[in-house]
Amino acid sequence: SQQGEEDPQALSIQEGENATMNCSYKTSINNLQWYRQNSGRGLVHLILIRSNEREKHSGRLRVTLDTSKKSSSLLITASRAADTASYFCAPSVAGGFKTIFGAGTRLFVKA
Amino acid sequence: DTGVSQDPRHKITKRGQNVTFRCDPISEHNRLYWYRQTLGQGPEFLTYFQNEAQLEKSRLLSDRFSAERPKGSFSTLEIQRTEQGDSAMYLCASSRAETQYFGPGTRLLVL
Repeated sequence: SQQGEEDPQALSIQEGENATMNCSYKTSINNLQWYRQNSGRGLVHLILIRSNEREKHSGRLRVTLDTSKKSSSLLITASRAADTASYFCAPSVAGGFKTIFGAGTRLFVKA
Repeated sequence: DTGVSQDPRHKITKRGQNVTFRCDPISEHNRLYWYRQTLGQGPEFLTYFQNEAQLEKSRLLSDRFSAERPKGSFSTLEIQRTEQGDSAMYLCASSRAETQYFGPGTRLLVL
C-alpha cells in the first residue's frame, strides 16, 4: 500500500508560529501531494512534489521529500487562524492515479 | 462555476433503500474518482474512471456499490440495500493529470 501516514495526529499552535507535519509511506512513489480540508471549502490540493525533487515552495508552504526514508514534511510558516484544517499527504506510485489518503493531521491555530 | 459538482449535497434514507449520487467533473478532465470519508478519517478510495472505463475498484467495496460513467462525463454512484454503516460523506474528484479537484461531497445518513 502506498498509504501516507501523517504525524502528529493533532497540532495546536499560536498564530504566527510555524507548523510542521510529517508523512511516511511504504512503497516507491512517483509523486506525493498534500491536501487541506476544512469545513468551509472541502478538500483542496496544496502542493505536489515529484520523486526526483527534494524541496518545493508555494507561498508560506514548504514541502520536503526524502525518498530514501520514505518520508515527507509540510511546513506552514507564519500560521494564521485560517490555516486551521486537516492536512493529508497522498503518495502515488509510478503510473498510478489512485490516491490513498491517511488519517491526516488536525491543525488548530489559535488567534 | 467550473468546479466539480455533486448532487444531492445531503441524503437521508432508511436502511434497505437504494440511493444514487451524481458527480459532474470539471470539463476536459478524463479521470474521475469516488471516495468515502467518515468522521475523523481521511478519504477512502472507492473507484476511479478514465473516460468511461472503470479502471480500479477498491476491494473494500461490496457488491452493493456500483459506479458508472457512461459517456465519460458525469458519473453516478449507487448504493443498494443501504446499511447504517454506509453513513458517510461521499466525495467525487476529477483530474487531467496528478492533481485531483474535489467536489463538496454528498453526506449520506442511513437511519
